[in-house]
Amino acid sequence: DADVTQTPRNRITKTGKRIMLECSQTKGHDRMYWYRQDPGLGLQLIYYSFDVKDINKGEISDGYSVSRQAQAKFSLSLESAIPNQTALYFCATSDTGVAGELFFGEGSRLTVL
Amino acid sequence: AQSVTQPDIHITVSEGASLELRCNYSYGATPYLFWYVQSPGQGLQLLLKYFSGDTLVQGIKGFEAEFKRSQSSFNLRKPSVHWSDAAEYFCAVGARAAGNKLTFGGGTRVLVKP
Repeated sequence: DADVTQTPRNRITKTGKRIMLECSQTKGHDRMYWYRQDPGLGLQLIYYSFDVKDINKGEISDGYSVSRQAQAKFSLSLESAIPNQTALYFCATSDTGVAGELFFGEGSRLTVL
Repeated sequence: AQSVTQPDIHITVSEGASLELRCNYSYGATPYLFWYVQSPGQGLQLLLKYFSGDTLVQGIKGFEAEFKRSQSSFNLRKPSVHWSDAAEYFCAVGARAAGNKLTFGGGTRVLVKP
């Protein structure tokens, strides 16, 4: 089984719908991240959490919210999806104090019509 | 603020030929530098990293990268490319002062010709 699991892997939805992307990890890491990938733009940080009680906005948090339900679970929500949120979303984890060694899930492809 | 530029969006290379991917960063202090690879349909995997010390770092899959402070560069190289190296490659910069968060470049897609 993958260390970082994202569900769903693919989702097509309509404008205005609420969408939740879920991430769970078995690596025992405290730090979890949500990134968005668009062609040519690399990965942009949406939200990150350094522990269950610590949640922070990233570069592009508008239109998104997150919930850290447990050390192992970090969910991303789009309260009212819009077409320009069509993208590939990645969850990642890292160990405390080890800069940059991110472990990624396989991604969730979201299409908003 | 830190930033990363990967000037080449696509590179095509013949199998067995050498590969060099360019990465330029902007950051005031000594950065942490990384190369990640993304195979089709997969998440990103760490190839190598530079924190300090020897400026030539070795990574997995036969890749290496050289940190050149004077040029603000961290180029990735492989002497002989295999068909399985076809993927997208991302350079990233982080810094303890930035809470260890990473900033990624736009990526370089590598195509390998037989």
